[in-house]
Amino acid sequence: AQSVTQLGSHVSVSEGALVLLRCNYSSSVPPYLFWYVQYPNQGLQLLLKYTTGATLVKGINGFEAEFKKSETSFHLTKPSAHMSDAAEYFCAVGYNNNDMRFGAGTRLTVKP
Amino acid sequence: KAGVTQTPRYLIKTRGQQVTLSCSPISGHRSVSWYQQTPGQGLQFLFEYFSETQRNKGNFPGRFSGRQFSNSRSEMNVSTLELGDSALYLCASSLSGVSGNTIYFGEGSWLTVV
Repeated sequence: AQSVTQLGSHVSVSEGALVLLRCNYSSSVPPYLFWYVQYPNQGLQLLLKYTTGATLVKGINGFEAEFKKSETSFHLTKPSAHMSDAAEYFCAVGYNNNDMRFGAGTRLTVKP
Repeated sequence: KAGVTQTPRYLIKTRGQQVTLSCSPISGHRSVSWYQQTPGQGLQFLFEYFSETQRNKGNFPGRFSGRQFSNSRSEMNVSTLELGDSALYLCASSLSGVSGNTIYFGEGSWLTVV
């Protein structure tokens, strides 16, 4: 079965610290990979996506993610956290049959 | 360019009633998909429409239905509402589907069933 696993439903970091949000997927075929961010009372906003090509993908707000096929992972990182990064982050996997699966989400808290 | 617009933003319904939610996709986008978001189940795929045809459907009961019009606008309907249907319903649009395309989300419709 195709699934997306986000390790850690809550992650807390200090302002200025590294942000690392983990995402693993299971898929028998190469997927399309996405990270979305959701601020309170809002919809989802695309941070970045991987389709083909370079495995290190840069997104908005200083975020980046690396597709590692051998590890079936697509972890999201940011070198230095800002208070404004506090939100919920969703990893998603899209397939050629237009199926799209989301992880359960990781709530990021940034401490001053 | 206007984003994905969902109406209404908030609504309260009584058990047993039915509800219709509306979604206007980004201009030029022909694929519209719907998701249910709840604290317990997270984001779950409901269905996806392209050119007025349902191409894919999630694992939801038949009380959940949808349709797409010739202008790509979409509606979803939930009949015989249950308390567990209380959720944020998100609509998303893309050019031709999720396969490698970016999908853009609306701000959602908050449904409370009492």
